[in-house]
Amino acid sequence: SAVISQKPSRDICQRGTSLTIQCQVDSQVTMMFWYRQQPGQSLTLIATANQGSEATYESGFVIDKFPISRPNLTFSTLTVSNMSPEDSSIYLCSVVGGSPFEAFFGQGTRLTVV
Amino acid sequence: DAKTTQPTSMDCAEGRAANLPCNHSTISGNEYVYWYRQIHSQGPQYIIHGLKNNETNEMASLIITEDRKSSTLILPHATLRDTAVYYCIGQDSGGGADGLTFGKGTHLIIQP
Repeated sequence: SAVISQKPSRDICQRGTSLTIQCQVDSQVTMMFWYRQQPGQSLTLIATANQGSEATYESGFVIDKFPISRPNLTFSTLTVSNMSPEDSSIYLCSVVGGSPFEAFFGQGTRLTVV
Repeated sequence: DAKTTQPTSMDCAEGRAANLPCNHSTISGNEYVYWYRQIHSQGPQYIIHGLKNNETNEMASLIITEDRKSSTLILPHATLRDTAVYYCIGQDSGGGADGLTFGKGTHLIIQP
C-alpha cells in the first residue's frame, strides 16, 4: 500500500493568485498523477508526473496554468496559477502501489477561489 | 478505455446485500473492470478488479458476465459506512501508466 499526504487540505484564495499543492508519498513511485474534481462532479486527470522528466498533460490542461514539479520519487507539487473562481475544485494526488492494479489517492486539497 | 454506464443513485437497507450494476458493452479483451468508491470528503478507494472471472476479496465480490459486457459489484452486508459514490472503470491498466478515467459513478445510500 501507499500513504499519501497532501498539503494544504483546504484553502481559500483570491483570484489572480497562485497556490502550490504538495503531495508526499511514503514510498518511492515512478509515476504520480494529479486529478481535479469540480463541485458535484467526477474526477478528471490533469497530468502525469514522472521523476526526471516533464509532466504529461491531458487535453484541456496546460503547463502554464498547472505547472508540476517532480523533484524526487516521493514528492510532487501542482501549482494552480492565476486562479479564477472556475478553479474552485478538489485537487487530488494519486500513485499506484505494489500491485499495478491498485491506485492510492490523497485526501485532496479543497480549493475555493473568491 | 471502455465507456461505462452506471445508475446515478441507489438505495440499500443496512445489513442487506448491495448490488451495483455497470454496463461496459464496448470493453475490449485486454481491459479490466475496476471498482473504486469515494466516501464524502475523501479520496477514492480501490475495491476490486477483474478480467473474466468472478472475484472476491474482503470488501466485495465482482461478478462479470460471460460476454464481459456488464458486471455487478456486490457488498454482501452493507453498513452505513458504505454510503459513497461507486465508480466502475474499464481500462487496460490499473492507473499505473495512464491514470484512471472516472465516469459519473453510482451514489449508493445505505438506509438504516
